[in-house]
Amino acid sequence: DAGVIQSPRHEVTEMGQEVTLRCKPISGHDYLFWYRQTMMRGLELLIYFNNNVPIDDSGMPEDRFSAKMPNASFSTLKIQPSEPRDSAVYFCASSFTRSGNTIYFGEGSWLTVV
Amino acid sequence: AQSVTQLGSHVSVSEGALVLLRCNYSSSVPPYLFWYVQYPNQGLQLLLKYTTGATLVKGINGFEAEFKKSETSFHLTKPSAHMSDAAEYFCAVSEETALIFGKGTTLSVSS
Repeated sequence: DAGVIQSPRHEVTEMGQEVTLRCKPISGHDYLFWYRQTMMRGLELLIYFNNNVPIDDSGMPEDRFSAKMPNASFSTLKIQPSEPRDSAVYFCASSFTRSGNTIYFGEGSWLTVV
Repeated sequence: AQSVTQLGSHVSVSEGALVLLRCNYSSSVPPYLFWYVQYPNQGLQLLLKYTTGATLVKGINGFEAEFKKSETSFHLTKPSAHMSDAAEYFCAVSEETALIFGKGTTLSVSS
């Protein structure tokens, strides 16, 4: 079975450029999460969706960050304009409804902004 | 607000030795607790979880953890470390749906 699929796996971009990260959740999962991992701050929850609707975006760091989920099988996280401090690993994850259910992570998108 | 504290950012053990990674949580309601492992350049993989029922939870690769409500702890153990256990380990708590992670503990295993 396919897991959570993220693209690109690696991205190097210049400061000021727009970055779009993509995610395909596991089929049938109705929750989708975006996390960011850095050495300084660890794993931070940015935003999560339930049935394609954003539920909690309080972790989105700035207005430069936006996330969408146009359908059950696709989500994007966009950074515009990007800054060097956005360099991090961005993980997408998905799960079935119900607290306590396992959340499955993708392999991550490694972003470097120079 | 829920939170997780992992004691020790780095733990080193010898191959064959006991592994003990500590995790304490804060939650206003009975929590769901998780341990995930991250190998270099990879995503996170579930090791084990506690939701309800038996407080001693067994996971993959010989790991287990015990939920102790009185101590608000969920420490991860493995009787005998293997070189392949070297990775970063994350404890996480969930009250509703999203997971809140600790800062992680890097486990090094020497021969």
